[in-house]
Amino acid sequence: EVQLVESGGGLVQPGGSLRLACVASGFTFRGFEMNWVRQAPGKGLEWVSSITSDGSLIYYADSVKGRFTLSRDNAKNSLFLQMNSLRAEDTAVYYCARKNYASGTLYNWFDPWGQGTLVTVSS
Amino acid sequence: DIQMTQSPSSLSASVGDRVTITCRASQIISSFLNWYQQRPGKAPKLLISVASSLQSGVPSRFSGSGSGTDFTLTISGLQPEDFATYFCQQSYTTPYTFGQGTKLEIK
Repeated sequence: EVQLVESGGGLVQPGGSLRLACVASGFTFRGFEMNWVRQAPGKGLEWVSSITSDGSLIYYADSVKGRFTLSRDNAKNSLFLQMNSLRAEDTAVYYCARKNYASGTLYNWFDPWGQGTLVTVSS
Repeated sequence: DIQMTQSPSSLSASVGDRVTITCRASQIISSFLNWYQQRPGKAPKLLISVASSLQSGVPSRFSGSGSGTDFTLTISGLQPEDFATYFCQQSYTTPYTFGQGTKLEIK
């Protein structure tokens, strides 16, 4: 079964740091681009960051650029999001999601998604 | 950034109804448009990719159409399990952006 399991969320004070992890199973992790998407309580979905299969290219939303760092360890089927200088507006459920491509095209989509991990930034 | 505008933001309907949700992109995105369903407390689930390609295991009452800037998700014959929130997403370019969501409620 293809599965993504996030961990590492919790309560942190403004200005603090957290490191999220996403462990993949059931597929060849090193062959896929991976993403983080977040959802603030009662709000919509916001793409956070993306990393290519070999980790050579990483993209960030402007809202987290310079504060968050995305990385991966293909040997451990794991994706990591280091979050520094956290703000109240970073409070959200963070989902990791696999990016898939239609064969021979650039058309792509996110599937599957993990169950999410909640990050709460509050004093 | 490409803005995705969904309408309506909420919708009341009855079991058996046919409903349509629209999504408009602020620029041409070809068919780089996906639809997700999210039930309360759960992760989003992919329904339709590339504007109209139904994912394996998704009931055929769901359908998608459109290209360019205007897209629709149609559910024909609503079932109780379909009452959820639906999001469109453009995957044309980063930052990947989502519509604000359409909450489908039971009338």
